[in-house]
Amino acid sequence: RKEVEQDPGPFNVPEGATVAFNCTYSNSASQSFFWYRQDCRKEPKLLMSVYSSGNEDGRFTAQLNRASQYISLLIRDSKLSDSATYLCVVVMDTGRRALTFGSGTRLQVQP
Amino acid sequence: DGGITQSPKYLFRKEGQNVTLSCEQNLNHDAMYWYRQDPGQGLRLIYYSQIVNDFQKGDIAEGYSVSREKKESFPLTVTSAQKNPTAFYLCASSMPAESMNTEAFFGQGTRLTVV
Repeated sequence: RKEVEQDPGPFNVPEGATVAFNCTYSNSASQSFFWYRQDCRKEPKLLMSVYSSGNEDGRFTAQLNRASQYISLLIRDSKLSDSATYLCVVVMDTGRRALTFGSGTRLQVQP
Repeated sequence: DGGITQSPKYLFRKEGQNVTLSCEQNLNHDAMYWYRQDPGQGLRLIYYSQIVNDFQKGDIAEGYSVSREKKESFPLTVTSAQKNPTAFYLCASSMPAESMNTEAFFGQGTRLTVV
């Protein structure tokens, strides 16, 4: 089983739609959680950190469910510019303390 | 400006040759990482280093080597033992995992093509 799993998509949605991605992680010792965005042939960039209480940044909302070991990203009012791959990232609390990436979920927002 | 720099952006090598990818950061980060990304795939960890003069293997270290002689620099050598070296290589840095903020900053990547 992969340490971090995501639905690869693609998610094809119309402009203005609300879309949600989930990501599950296998190691309960996971400490920190992030969503990164990666545009085609570019480096990943931090979209937002994910806090235990949930957090919101404009049209983006991230949630963490430690009991079920998953994190989610909700995008409201999708824009064409939101088209990208969204990567779930987990940092373990013990053992290997490196950022572990999911394989990404591709989002295509259509006009 | 602070940042992380990878060079070169594109690299072509003949099969059987070793090649070294450069990664330099001036963010004063202790931790540095090398990832490999293949088309349509996520990032896979090759090596990482939490502190100078120390580094650990990631999931796909075979055929690669690294050094961490300076805090700012974490070069990756792709050796001839790497069976399938053509890929997009990404270097990243962050504060240590023990810190409150482990956001990783990435270089622009090096596209290696072995012919």
